[in-house]
Amino acid sequence: EVQLVESGGGLVQPGGSLRLSCAASGFTFSNYWMRWVRQAPGKGLEWLANIKQDGSEKNYVDSVKGRFTISRDNAQNSLYLQMNSLRAEDTAIYYCASDSYSLGAYWGQGTLVTVSS
Amino acid sequence: DIVMTQSPGSLAVSLGERATINCKSSQSVLSSSTNKNYLAWYQHKPGQPPKLLIYWASNRESGVPDRFSGSGSGTDFTLTISSLQAEDVAVYYCQHYYTTPQTFGQGTKLEIK
Repeated sequence: EVQLVESGGGLVQPGGSLRLSCAASGFTFSNYWMRWVRQAPGKGLEWLANIKQDGSEKNYVDSVKGRFTISRDNAQNSLYLQMNSLRAEDTAIYYCASDSYSLGAYWGQGTLVTVSS
Repeated sequence: DIVMTQSPGSLAVSLGERATINCKSSQSVLSSSTNKNYLAWYQHKPGQPPKLLIYWASNRESGVPDRFSGSGSGTDFTLTISSLQAEDVAVYYCQHYYTTPQTFGQGTKLEIK
């Protein structure tokens, strides 16, 4: 069974940092581009970043560029999102997902990040 | 960045009737090299992750009921639910993956009339 399980969310003060993790199982993680997508309360879906299979290429949306870093460890079947300089508008459910459309589309259940003082 | 615009923002359809959702991209998402439209449709229910329904604009994901279909090319796309079922109540999003940043439409909330 394919599983993506996010962890690391929680309450953080503005300006603080969090590191999200996503543990993958049930598929060959190293064969897939991966991405992070978020949904702020009452808002739509927002793509944040993606990373190539070997980690050699990373792309970001402008709103998180320079603050967030996507990374992966294929030996650990894990995807990460390091989030720095967090703002209130970063409050959202964060999903990790495969960035694939014909090989299998896998999503985690999401982890909630709340940025508030 | 490519802007994805969905219409309508909300839609109420009777059970068994057809539902149609439109999506327009600010520039073409049709690749001349692959002749594929880099356009996907998702269904999103509260408390669940988004579910991929359609990719390459018209390919149905495995396990998705055949009442769901996608059409269109270039900049104009449509998701059609041929006979609405109660379990289809959700928010539907289109998304391009032609370039980065990938972007989603603002969503269409589908309800039962």
